[in-house]
Amino acid sequence: DQQVKQNSPSLSVQEGRISILNCDYTNSMFDYFLWYKKYPAEGPTFLISISSIKDKNEDGRFTVFLNKSAKHLSLHIVPSQPGDSAVYFCAAVDPSTYDMRFGAGTRLTVKP
Amino acid sequence: DGGITQSPKYLFRKEGQNVTLSCEQNLNHDAMYWYRQDPGQGLRLIYYSQIVNDFQKGDIAEGYSVSREKKESFPLTVTSAQKNPTAFYLCASSIGTVLNQPQHFGDGTRLSIL
Repeated sequence: DQQVKQNSPSLSVQEGRISILNCDYTNSMFDYFLWYKKYPAEGPTFLISISSIKDKNEDGRFTVFLNKSAKHLSLHIVPSQPGDSAVYFCAAVDPSTYDMRFGAGTRLTVKP
Repeated sequence: DGGITQSPKYLFRKEGQNVTLSCEQNLNHDAMYWYRQDPGQGLRLIYYSQIVNDFQKGDIAEGYSVSREKKESFPLTVTSAQKNPTAFYLCASSIGTVLNQPQHFGDGTRLSIL
């Protein structure tokens, strides 16, 4: 029962262009969403988050958009850099259970 | 530097053997977590602990056990009852309960069966 889905296992973009990573969820109780970035042989690191009371949160080159009606969020990276190449996990929190659910991840490759 | 240390990085288990994965944090975080990652799947929660001497089962606790005798340490034992233990195991911690608190992760332990 995957409550958080990242349907694209991989994404390849050219350096300087925009990367858009998508995430869908099914549980309407989720009210807080996070993106984590993971390099090979390292643990995930927190990247950016958004509360359900917002529809956008921006931090430098990273912007997360939340569409509650569609139960969809996306991470935009502009401009993309080769160092952004990593696996990106979307996560969602259910405040009633304190559960954090992760998606399966999307591997982003930014080509020079 | 503050962080989470998992050891060993690679671990091999024989059939019928229990093995223990270490997780230590010096971030003074109250909450700690163990996740399992399998190919093509998201991280799945095994156990979590919000405070010393207390822990709760996650989604896939069967075949695993934990202890939380010290705030800094949250070891995970993979018992012989876990029939499919080959996976990548990640330990994490957060300041409080997971709500609105990003988790900090260790670098993981990869467990394989001999």
